Amino acid sequence: GDSVTQMEGPVTLSEEAFLTINCTYTATGYPSLFWYVQYPGEGLQLLLKATKADDKGSNKGFEATYRKETTSFHLEKGSVQVSDSAVYFCALSESGGSNYKLTFGKGTLLTVNP
Amino acid sequence: NAGVTQTPKFQVLKTGQSMTLQCAQDMNHEYMSWYRQDPGMGLRLIHYSVGAGITDQGEVPNGYNVSRSTTEDFPLRLLSAAPSQTSVYFCASSYADHRAAYNEQFFGPGTRLTVL
Repeated sequence: GDSVTQMEGPVTLSEEAFLTINCTYTATGYPSLFWYVQYPGEGLQLLLKATKADDKGSNKGFEATYRKETTSFHLEKGSVQVSDSAVYFCALSESGGSNYKLTFGKGTLLTVNP
Repeated sequence: NAGVTQTPKFQVLKTGQSMTLQCAQDMNHEYMSWYRQDPGMGLRLIHYSVGAGITDQGEVPNGYNVSRSTTEDFPLRLLSAAPSQTSVYFCASSYADHRAAYNEQFFGPGTRLTVL
């Protein structure tokens, strides 16, 4: 079945540091890939997405590129802020009939210190 | 537009008690689902529904029941609570358009459940 493996945390960075959170996936077909973010005490919200190979998703300074050859979707940000402290989840959905079902990675807790 | 709402926000149960976690959405979404979130385990799918009268099991369905009598509501029932069901529960909804490249899921704020 489908699976998502992401970098285990926690990750602790200083403000303005560079962030990478690795994510690799296993899926049949051509999945769509997502990063969701969960701020403390809240539900998840979509951060960015990519629906086909070589697509780059971006939002709020975060970026991730859909790499089919390495089955990866690594999250990056050039300069993190304290407000980026959250749990980040990589996820995928299959194309076609069940494209609403998500498979999640285990999440990576990011803490950014001032 | 309230989005996805969940009640209660917090709940403490004793082993063997039953309860229902409520979930409602006002976006006319066909797909609704329940996840549990446990430390180190990510989100695991409990049950899901693709429309009124249609439900199916996810990855961890044991000990939980669901029904979908309306498009808006998707309650999750714990029949006889166990300490292993201590978790944070999230409800989510989305369209179920299989022609779309993706269907964005919207999450509720969660219910933190403790079973003693």
